[in-house]
Amino acid sequence: DAKTTQPPSMDCAEGRAANLPCNHSTISGNEYVYWYRQIHSQGPQYIIHGLKNNETNEMASLIITEDRKSSTLILPHATLRDTAVYYCIANTDKLIFGTGTRLQVFP
Amino acid sequence: KAGVTQTPRYLIKTRGQQVTLSCSPISGHRSVSWYQQTPGQGLQFLFEYFSETQRNKGNFPGRFSGRQFSNSRSEMNVSTLELGDSALYLCASSFGHTYSTDTQYFGPGTRLTVL
Repeated sequence: DAKTTQPPSMDCAEGRAANLPCNHSTISGNEYVYWYRQIHSQGPQYIIHGLKNNETNEMASLIITEDRKSSTLILPHATLRDTAVYYCIANTDKLIFGTGTRLQVFP
Repeated sequence: KAGVTQTPRYLIKTRGQQVTLSCSPISGHRSVSWYQQTPGQGLQFLFEYFSETQRNKGNFPGRFSGRQFSNSRSEMNVSTLELGDSALYLCASSFGHTYSTDTQYFGPGTRLTVL
């Protein structure tokens, strides 16, 4: 399973876009990039996933570089409720969680 | 559709005891995975069950075990509890596909405290 690297923390103003980067330079061809977030020791919440193409859903957008070595999760209009730890995972059969990025959204 | 449910939500035990945690997956999901989360080690994979068989296993001692029933509900058991077993135990369910992407959805967790 590929190892992912994320910045430990980021800040974002409420209403602005939050762009969370992730490096997965050793990802293999069949590994998807998954994003989860965890709010205050609740169970992790699925956000979005992708293989090669950019993806968008009601929560976020996922931009994957052409060489698949990195990706960016975009929360288009961050709110205070988006304050959480965000995990980027390169998945095959089991989820290997790193330390994630602690996103703090401020008013 | 109901989400993943875990019972109990909170549990206090003493060293040496054993504990059983329960997980009910989302309807239609046949795979259940268990994870342990501690402040020091983060979120770590314990094992996965699919169709009543353990399909994948993490790097935990044999004191940690699990099983899955025919209705896909799963239990995990920890015997001879140690202080270090204090953690948030999470289960996640999915359809269990291995031939395509398979998203896991997590329950709220069981907070276990060992005194």
